[in-house]
Amino acid sequence: ETGVTQSPTHLIKTRGQQVTLRCSSQSGHNTVSWYQQALGQGPQFIFQYYREEENGRGNFPPRFSGLQFPNYSSELNVNALELDDSALYLCASSFGGQPQHFGDGTRLSIL
Amino acid sequence: EDKVVQSPLSLVVHEGDTVTLNCSYEVTNFRSLLWYKQEKKAPTFLFMLTSSGIEKKSGRLSSILDKKELFSILNITATQTGDSAVYLCAVEGLRAGNMLTFGGGTRLMVKP
Repeated sequence: ETGVTQSPTHLIKTRGQQVTLRCSSQSGHNTVSWYQQALGQGPQFIFQYYREEENGRGNFPPRFSGLQFPNYSSELNVNALELDDSALYLCASSFGGQPQHFGDGTRLSIL
Repeated sequence: EDKVVQSPLSLVVHEGDTVTLNCSYEVTNFRSLLWYKQEKKAPTFLFMLTSSGIEKKSGRLSSILDKKELFSILNITATQTGDSAVYLCAVEGLRAGNMLTFGGGTRLMVKP
């Protein structure tokens, strides 16, 4: 059984740029959630996708957007990057009411 | 707004000690409470609790939920250096899909 995989592992961008992060869900999982984890803090919910539709959103501005594809993989896009966007971005997948399982994340650094 | 508070923030113990980590929460329409262990990267799932008073156990780890007092504890007995990690507590409500609201975590260091 393949777990949740994310790419890239690390990324360095400058302020104002745009970034796309990718996530492949665990086999059999149809729901993908994205979280932002700042250093020393717990993960914060960004949004969730289910059957290619956004199924819930946290307190993040519209410059954070996403997609889910028919194979349940997902992308997180962030426009107009700010210094505060530097964080570990975690993707989690799940099926039904089962626990969410996380990938290793993408560490994004904004210079 | 859903809220999760974990205590202590950090803890240093020696191998063989027993530790208790605390998690209190406020959530609209509670569905479940989850514990994760985070070492370097991915939080790894430990327990999912939905009912009060029923202990879940996995080896040296156990957890219990009190839905009346709105808290959960995670116990680790006979700690080992491999237990060193950040332990995250999260609650799942019925709004915004099945989003998880996380606490800030407890950083546990187990010394040999």
